[in-house]
Amino acid sequence: NAGVMQNPRHLVRRRGQEARLRCSPMKGHSHVYWYRQLPEEGLKFMVYLQKENIIDESGMPKERFSAEFPKEGPSILRIQQVVRGDSAAYFCASSKQGPHTDTQYFGPGTRLTVL
Amino acid sequence: GESVGLHLPTLSVQEGDNSIINCAYSNSASDYFIWYKQESGKGPQFIIDIRSNMDKRQGQRVTVLLNKTVKHLSLQIAATQPGDSAVYFCAENIRIQGAQKLVFGQGTRLTINP
Repeated sequence: NAGVMQNPRHLVRRRGQEARLRCSPMKGHSHVYWYRQLPEEGLKFMVYLQKENIIDESGMPKERFSAEFPKEGPSILRIQQVVRGDSAAYFCASSKQGPHTDTQYFGPGTRLTVL
Repeated sequence: GESVGLHLPTLSVQEGDNSIINCAYSNSASDYFIWYKQESGKGPQFIIDIRSNMDKRQGQRVTVLLNKTVKHLSLQIAATQPGDSAVYFCAENIRIQGAQKLVFGQGTRLTINP
């Protein structure tokens, strides 16, 4: 049973470019969460999605960031016009049920570097 | 509670000793807590969880204690091994503005000395 998969593992972008981070949840999981982690810090919640729906995006910056979880395919976190401050590790987690009742399992992360 | 941009607290223990990692959480209404282990360059790995109707739960070499009175959570690791070296995060499930979410603590770096 494969765990949560994320790709790419490392992504380098120049300022102003777009970054697309992909997450495939564990088999049977329909809830996906995205977190951002800066060095020496804990994970900060960004967005919670269930198939085709954004449930909670209270942690997403108002501009340039968007997320989707289509009926078919992986969840995508998209960052437009990246800036140096976007450099971080982005982790995806999935759960079978919602956050209140079920454990979230994390992927290996995508490390974004903005030059 | 919410993580802040501070240098991670560090705990150093001798191999074979027991270690205790502490966490203070922020919301008295939180009813589900999880400990995660994060090794360098990897994603957080689930260790153990506990719901608010319990005050203790045991796993393999790990025990989680919950004190709701003082909003304190601890993780005990017995007979630590070199592979236990990692950063450990507690997370609480809280309701903010009608939505449930996990809020991570600051993290503690555990170093095992041979």
